[in-house]
Amino acid sequence: DQQVKQNSPSLSVQEGRISILNCDYTNSMFDYFLWYKKYPAEGPTFLISISSIKDKNEDGRFTVFLNKSAKHLSLHIVPSQPGDSAVYFCAASAPDAGNNRKLIWGLGTSLAVNP
Amino acid sequence: NAGVMQNPRHLVRRRGQEARLRCSPMKGHSHVYWYRQLPEEGLKFMVYLQKENIIDESGMPKERFSAEFPKEGPSILRIQQVVRGDSAAYFCASSPPNPRTQYFGPGTRLTVL
Repeated sequence: DQQVKQNSPSLSVQEGRISILNCDYTNSMFDYFLWYKKYPAEGPTFLISISSIKDKNEDGRFTVFLNKSAKHLSLHIVPSQPGDSAVYFCAASAPDAGNNRKLIWGLGTSLAVNP
Repeated sequence: NAGVMQNPRHLVRRRGQEARLRCSPMKGHSHVYWYRQLPEEGLKFMVYLQKENIIDESGMPKERFSAEFPKEGPSILRIQQVVRGDSAAYFCASSPPNPRTQYFGPGTRLTVL
């Protein structure tokens, strides 16, 4: 059962335009969401996160939007740059009884930004 | 401040041998997580450890795989009697005591011949 879904395996965008990566989740207990970027042969790099008490978080060219009622979040990159070409993973977590957290991951979306 | 360190970066083993993967968390981080990424697949959670304690090992295969995070030294993921299906990239992540964000190491790529 995939609790975090990234339904687009790949996305291609022109340099300078906006990239929108989407993520859906099913577990209403998730209260913290993260986006990671991964280059080939490297570990994932933390990009941006959002708590469920917010609906938007912005960091430079990256903005994450959260729609709790739709159980949907999206990552906007604007303007997109060729160096943004990577696989983007969405992850979510909820605290357990001991306040420990485990990240639940989507399968990733491969973004290609074309010059 | 050094990031999460993993070694070796590449490990080649023959079927039946043992593989030991090491992870040193970021300074001040007391939580370690191990993930596996098989070819053409996403990251799969394996195990979550604090110092000397396994918090969640629900993603660990029941046989041949074990993990530890001793009081001193790195966390170790140990795979006994490796098989070809164990070939994958193994990533370690760490987080501070109030874990929300995990920070990843560069991974160990295990190849089983």
